[in-house]
Amino acid sequence: GAVVSQHPSRVICKSGTSVKIECRSLDFQATTMFWYRQFPKQSLMLMATSNEGSKATYEQGVEKDKFLINHASLTLSTLTVTSAHPEDSSFYICSARDLEAGPPYEQYFGPGTRLTVT
Amino acid sequence: AQKITQTQPGMFVQEKEAVTLDCTYDTSDQSYGLFWYKQPSSGEMIFLIYQGSYDEQNATEGRYSLNFQKARKSANLVISASQLGDSAMYFCAMRPPGGGNKLTFGTGTQLKVEL
Repeated sequence: GAVVSQHPSRVICKSGTSVKIECRSLDFQATTMFWYRQFPKQSLMLMATSNEGSKATYEQGVEKDKFLINHASLTLSTLTVTSAHPEDSSFYICSARDLEAGPPYEQYFGPGTRLTVT
Repeated sequence: AQKITQTQPGMFVQEKEAVTLDCTYDTSDQSYGLFWYKQPSSGEMIFLIYQGSYDEQNATEGRYSLNFQKARKSANLVISASQLGDSAMYFCAMRPPGGGNKLTFGTGTQLKVEL
């Protein structure tokens, strides 16, 4: 089946620094990837839709300058949390859709990245 | 706007028994897709089952089945013969028409399978 990887799986950083999270589709191409954020015991909230070769589309309330998204190729999207603060600590999950897959057009999720800002 | 409601924050079931996890949705669209995902404590989201709004048959995948009642706007997940490994968080999600991939998730149900 389709596999999506994320790196790193866990990261601890100091307040004010930036952190980059990578999302890769390992055995398929994805023009569109999605970035979600999940607080403990809560649901996934879509942050942005990452489009290969174009700007990301951010959901209402998500700061574009704080959460930089780059979709450089059909297999790689990156999320950079800039000037991180403790309130940015969360579980970040990416997902991707296989270009060539038919219905149900499911999203394949990465294993997630747990970010802790101290 | 689409909305997914999961009213059971937590559920317990005994091993080998069946359990139903509730999901209701609200949409004005006629065409949409409904998904169920499992999230173990490790965090990854595992796709379980899909139901299209125009599918006449209820979806089934192994021990998972989806009780789709379109008029009631409900898409309950039924897990038969529960196993200890089924203990996890379960999320219902909806995708809008047109094959777009913006999923809206419910708040989830924490299932615990007991001996």
